[in-house]
Amino acid sequence: EAQVTQNPRYLITVTGKKLTVTCSQNMNHEYMSWYRQDPGLGLRQIYYSMNVEVTDKGDVPEGYKVSRKEKRNFPLILESPSPNQTSLYFCASRPADDTGELFFGEGSRLTVL
Amino acid sequence: AQTVTQSQPEMSVQEAETVTLSCTYDTSESDYYLFWYKQPPSRQMILVIRQEAYKQQNATENRFSVNFQKAAKSFSLKISDSQLGDAAMYFCAYRNSGGSNYKLTFGKGTLLTVNP
Repeated sequence: EAQVTQNPRYLITVTGKKLTVTCSQNMNHEYMSWYRQDPGLGLRQIYYSMNVEVTDKGDVPEGYKVSRKEKRNFPLILESPSPNQTSLYFCASRPADDTGELFFGEGSRLTVL
Repeated sequence: AQTVTQSQPEMSVQEAETVTLSCTYDTSESDYYLFWYKQPPSRQMILVIRQEAYKQQNATENRFSVNFQKAAKSFSLKISDSQLGDAAMYFCAYRNSGGSNYKLTFGKGTLLTVNP
């Protein structure tokens, strides 16, 4: 089944404790991206990657890092999480043929205390 | 920068009735995509319908249709014969057709309640 898989789906952590949210897609998509969703703000892009070893900032990159060592994986790293990073996070990917559509993972609910 | 505005934070509809969700956007581009995504309580983002700006014909997917007014930069979603399973948060989104970042710009969402 074609899908974008995120882990963990739920996480409660404390300020300053490094964490990684993994994202993997099995559709051989070149483009991948991370969004965060906050009430009243919709979804906002954090980082994106056009291909392996190519990443760039989105609209709200502060406090986050990403890497793209393999085509299928695009982890989101919070080196020192803070309470304002409490959010719902989505990974998304897109095929090379531009249908316009993004395929989303199921979301990861992160709470930073 | 492009912006997307959903002016209705919440809407409600009776089961089997029709409801229209509003969306306006701002862009200087001539070619782009517009989307409606549905987010049920499961939180999954589900694509409802897609419209390419160069196509004059309004997109339709079963009970879902759009009214795309390019000059007015308006992209409303009509849900006919509403069902309980349609209850969800609905997001309107915009994307440029070209460029190196296939970023979706989202509106803030409209929470749709379906009353039995």
